Amino acid sequence: DSGVTQTPKHLITATGQRVTLRCSPRSGDLSVYWYQQSLDQGLQFLIQYYNGEERAKGNILERFSAQQFPDLHSELNLSSLELGDSALYFCASSRGVGMGIETQYFGPGTRLLVL
Amino acid sequence: AQKVTQAQTEISVVEKEDVTLDCVYETRDTTYYLFWYKQPPSGELVFLIRRNSFDEQNEISGRYSWNFQKSTSSFNFTITASQVVDSAVYFCALSEKGYGGSQGNLIFGKGTKLSVKP
Repeated sequence: DSGVTQTPKHLITATGQRVTLRCSPRSGDLSVYWYQQSLDQGLQFLIQYYNGEERAKGNILERFSAQQFPDLHSELNLSSLELGDSALYFCASSRGVGMGIETQYFGPGTRLLVL
Repeated sequence: AQKVTQAQTEISVVEKEDVTLDCVYETRDTTYYLFWYKQPPSGELVFLIRRNSFDEQNEISGRYSWNFQKSTSSFNFTITASQVVDSAVYFCALSEKGYGGSQGNLIFGKGTKLSVKP
C-alpha cells in the first residue's frame, strides 16, 4: 500500500457527462501528479500541483481540469466526456520539499469507462 | 526530446529462469533520474527503484538487479530465478525537470509484459 488513496475505484458514465476523480496524497506529501493510462497512449502525465499551486502541465485536454485543496487532496475534473477518455487515471504524490528529483508513489487508480 | 523505449512488448519465461527487461532512454539533461515500476494484474503501480544520473553503480535487491550504463543510455532490469508472482507489466520511466529545478513529471516507456509460467 503506497499510502495514496483514490476514489472512486471504478466509474461508468456516458458521453457528454462530467466526472470528478479524487486523490489523497501520502501523509506529508505536498506534490500531487495526475497520469492517464490508456491502451493507445500508454502512461501519460497530465498535471502536477505543489502545495495548492499548479506546477507543471502535460498532455492535459482543455476539457480536463484539476485543483489541489488546502488539505492537499486533489481532484481531477473531466467534462464533455468522450469514448476516448476511457482509461485508468492515476494520482501520485511526492514529498515536494526539496529541490531534488523525488520518487512518486502511485495510488491504485480510478478506472473510467465512458459509454 | 526525452523518451523512454522498452523494445520488448511481451516476454514469457518458465519459473526459475532469469529474465532481463531492457530500457533505453534519451535526454538532454545532465541531471536526471530513472525509475522502474511494476504493474501487477491488480492494476496499481508499485515503485521498485530509482537511480540518479551520477550513480552508475549496479544495484541488487534480492532477486532483482539493475544495470545502469550511461554510455549506452540504458537501465536494464534483471529478475533472477523468476517466480509466478513476478508476472506483471514493468515500466521504465525517466524524470523530467520541472518548474524551478524541482521534481517534474515522469516519462514512461510503453512497458514490458512479463509472464512467468509454472
